[in-house]
Amino acid sequence: GAVVSQHPSRVICKSGTSVKIECRSLDFQATTMFWYRQFPKQSLMLMATSNEGSKATYEQGVEKDKFLINHASLTLSTLTVTSAHPEDSSFYICSASDGGGADTQYFGPGTRLTVL
Amino acid sequence: EDKVVQSPLSLVVHEGDTVTLNCSYEVTNFRSLLWYKQEKKAPTFLFMLTSSGIEKKSGRLSSILDKKELSSILNITATQTGDSAIYLCAVEADAGGTSYGKLTFGQGTILTVHP
Repeated sequence: GAVVSQHPSRVICKSGTSVKIECRSLDFQATTMFWYRQFPKQSLMLMATSNEGSKATYEQGVEKDKFLINHASLTLSTLTVTSAHPEDSSFYICSASDGGGADTQYFGPGTRLTVL
Repeated sequence: EDKVVQSPLSLVVHEGDTVTLNCSYEVTNFRSLLWYKQEKKAPTFLFMLTSSGIEKKSGRLSSILDKKELSSILNITATQTGDSAIYLCAVEADAGGTSYGKLTFGQGTILTVHP
């Protein structure tokens, strides 16, 4: 099956710093990538959708200047959390789609971000 | 606003038991309903349902959609300890002419299967 990787798997940073999370599709070309966040014992919340070579579409309530998304190639999307604060601590999961239906949306293993 | 609600939120059973997980939704422009299993990390795809009344089956797992009742159930028979996980229900809604839809997830059901 299709494989999506995320790096790093966990990161701890100080308040005010920026953190970059990478999402890669390893064996297919991802025309669309999605970024979610998941709080403990809560659901996955879609943050933004990105298409290769174009600007990301952010969900309502998600600050685009705080969560910078770049989808520079068909196999890589990055999420940068700028000026991170403790309330940004969460589990961030990406998924990638090759343009098929929702059942072809493959999830990465997630990145645990802890902001001190 | 699209909404997906799962019940129960958690369930503890013993090996061999049969469980039924529920998912109900209120979504504009429904396209499909999906079930995922999440074991600590990435959700893994189980089923995608688009038509009412047609059961999808994979081994001991099965699922069915009721579009009239805006709900779906996921059944697991003869549960094993390896079935312990969070089971997520997500509903896909049309996203304005794109091939992919936007997924709205429920809060998940935490299933624990004891030996």
